[in-house]
Amino acid sequence: DQQVKQNSPSLSVQEGRISILNCDYTNSMFDYFLWYKKYPAEGPTFLISISSIKDKNEDGRFTVFLNKSAKHLSLHIVPSQPGDSAVYFCAVKIPPSNTGKLIFGQGTTLQVKP
Amino acid sequence: DTAVSQTPKYLVTQMGNDKSIKCEQNLGHDTMYWYKQDSKKFLKIMFSYNNKELIINETVPNRFSPKSPDKAHLNLHINSLELGDSAVYFCASSQDASRDEQYFGPGTRLTVT
Repeated sequence: DQQVKQNSPSLSVQEGRISILNCDYTNSMFDYFLWYKKYPAEGPTFLISISSIKDKNEDGRFTVFLNKSAKHLSLHIVPSQPGDSAVYFCAVKIPPSNTGKLIFGQGTTLQVKP
Repeated sequence: DTAVSQTPKYLVTQMGNDKSIKCEQNLGHDTMYWYKQDSKKFLKIMFSYNNKELIINETVPNRFSPKSPDKAHLNLHINSLELGDSAVYFCASSQDASRDEQYFGPGTRLTVT
């Protein structure tokens, strides 16, 4: 049973527009959430994170929103650029937080068209 | 000056063989991990070591054995390879196990024929 789900396998947007990637989780005890980006033939790279004490975290063009009641988080990329084309993984940190254990969603492939 | 490196990048082998994948990090991190990305693209943790001590051992067949000779290296040995072991294996490290940011290697694509 998947504890972290990314229901959209792919997303295509035009350059300059907003990209919205979604992620749902099952356990209300989860309290730390991350997004990773992955290019082909490379390992995932950390993008942005959010703690459950916040509902929004922003870093440049990237903003993560957390809706605890819906057990849902989303990543917004504004404006989208062709270099953002990659696979985006949502991840949750599994308590206890001192083990470093992450559970990943299955990823959403984002294509940004010039 | 690669932060997390893995060798080999590709590994093709026959069922029943024993193989190893090596991982090294030059970031001075205390914690290292092995992940498996299967054909459905799920990235699942297998093991993690903190200062050479095993802290996570997921439900992984005991044919898989991690070995950490020092905190900069975490190697993965796989005995009696099976078709289902075909996957991409990623090594990662973090400053310590409480840090959220993990740095991943480029992956090793293992194909068992």
